[in-house]
Amino acid sequence: EVQLVESGGGLVQPGGSLRLSCAASGFTFTKNWMTWVRQAPGKGLEWVANIKQDGGEKYYVDSVKGRFTISRDNARNSLHLQMDSLRVEDTAVYYCVRDGLCGGDCLDHWGQGTLVTVSS
Amino acid sequence: QSVLTQPPSVSAAPGQKVTISCSGGSSNIGNNFVFWYQQFPGAAPQLLIYDNNKRPSGIPDRFSGSKSGTSGTLGITGLQTGDEADYYCGTWDTRLSAYVFGTGTKVAVL
Repeated sequence: EVQLVESGGGLVQPGGSLRLSCAASGFTFTKNWMTWVRQAPGKGLEWVANIKQDGGEKYYVDSVKGRFTISRDNARNSLHLQMDSLRVEDTAVYYCVRDGLCGGDCLDHWGQGTLVTVSS
Repeated sequence: QSVLTQPPSVSAAPGQKVTISCSGGSSNIGNNFVFWYQQFPGAAPQLLIYDNNKRPSGIPDRFSGSKSGTSGTLGITGLQTGDEADYYCGTWDTRLSAYVFGTGTKVAVL
């Protein structure tokens, strides 16, 4: 059974930093791209970033470029999101998501999410 | 501001059919597969339809997807109260080099 368990969320002041982690199990981690998606309270889904199997390609939504860094540790089956220069508008539930092996980018397994609150 | 547009809400009586549209452009739906996600309140989203019209195992055949040009459509037949949820379309946008989601549609069963 595929499992994705996020950790690292919490309350942080504007301008601060936070590092999210995702522990993956139940599948061969090195076969899949991995993704972070966020959802602000009461709002829709927003894709944040993704990373290729070997970490050699990474893509980001414009609003986080230069502030967030996605990475992965294939030896530990883990995904990370380093978030710096946090803003109030980064407040959201952050989901760790597996890119499935579909014809396109299907986000086929989601973690339960971790809440990040940016507030003074 | 999302590049994929969905109606804010749709509704129908139990047993009826609803359709949800997802309007995009040539850089996203026009050149990529459409995906649909279902999200119940307080829960993580789940993949409902992939590659325009395929259903993951466990998804009932009451749910269907299609694509035409730069638009995708999700259909739900035999509507049930348990289908009340938010539905999002999504796809890769080659111009933005980013994945984009639709604005989301809330389904209500009257």
